[in-house]
Amino acid sequence: NAGVMQNPRHLVRRRGQEARLRCSPMKGHSHVYWYRQLPEEGLKFMVYLQKENIIDESGMPKERFSAEFPKEGPSILRIQQVVRGDSAAYFCASSPPGFYQETQYFGPGTRLLVL
Amino acid sequence: AQSVTQLGSHVSVSEGALVLLRCNYSSSVPPYLFWYVQYPNQGLQLLLKYTTGATLVKGINGFEAEFKKSETSFHLTKPSAHMSDAAEYFCAVSTGTYKYIFGTGTRLKVLA
Repeated sequence: NAGVMQNPRHLVRRRGQEARLRCSPMKGHSHVYWYRQLPEEGLKFMVYLQKENIIDESGMPKERFSAEFPKEGPSILRIQQVVRGDSAAYFCASSPPGFYQETQYFGPGTRLLVL
Repeated sequence: AQSVTQLGSHVSVSEGALVLLRCNYSSSVPPYLFWYVQYPNQGLQLLLKYTTGATLVKGINGFEAEFKKSETSFHLTKPSAHMSDAAEYFCAVSTGTYKYIFGTGTRLKVLA
């Protein structure tokens, strides 16, 4: 039973490029969450999605960041025109359908480095 | 607003010694509390969680934590450290919603 999958595990981008981070939830899970961990900080909530719906994006920066969870395929976190301050570890978590109090299961993260 | 403080970003213990990782939280409502562990190049794995009921919570790999409301603490302990316990440990709090608030993590080193 595979856990939450994220790819790529490491991503290097130059300033101004786009970064696409992918997350495949655990089998049977329909809730996806993205968190960001800046250096020397804890993980911080970014966005909560269900299939084809953004439920809460209150933690997302207002510009350049977007997320989707299509009917088919993985969830995507997209960062346009990356800047050095976007360098961080981005974690995806998923939980089963039903009440969102279900425990969140985390992926290994994508380490983004912006040069 | 909620917050989590993990005292000590790095903790070293000898193999066989007691492991104590500290976590203090602030929350205006009864909290849900979690400890996650992250081994190198892996995702965060849930060690244990407290929601309601018994304040002493037992988790996997011999870890346990006690919810102390008066001290706003949820410290993680293990009686005898093993080399395989070397990892980074994260404490998190929520109000029962999907927004987890994480501490900055404690990296545990186990000395032979």
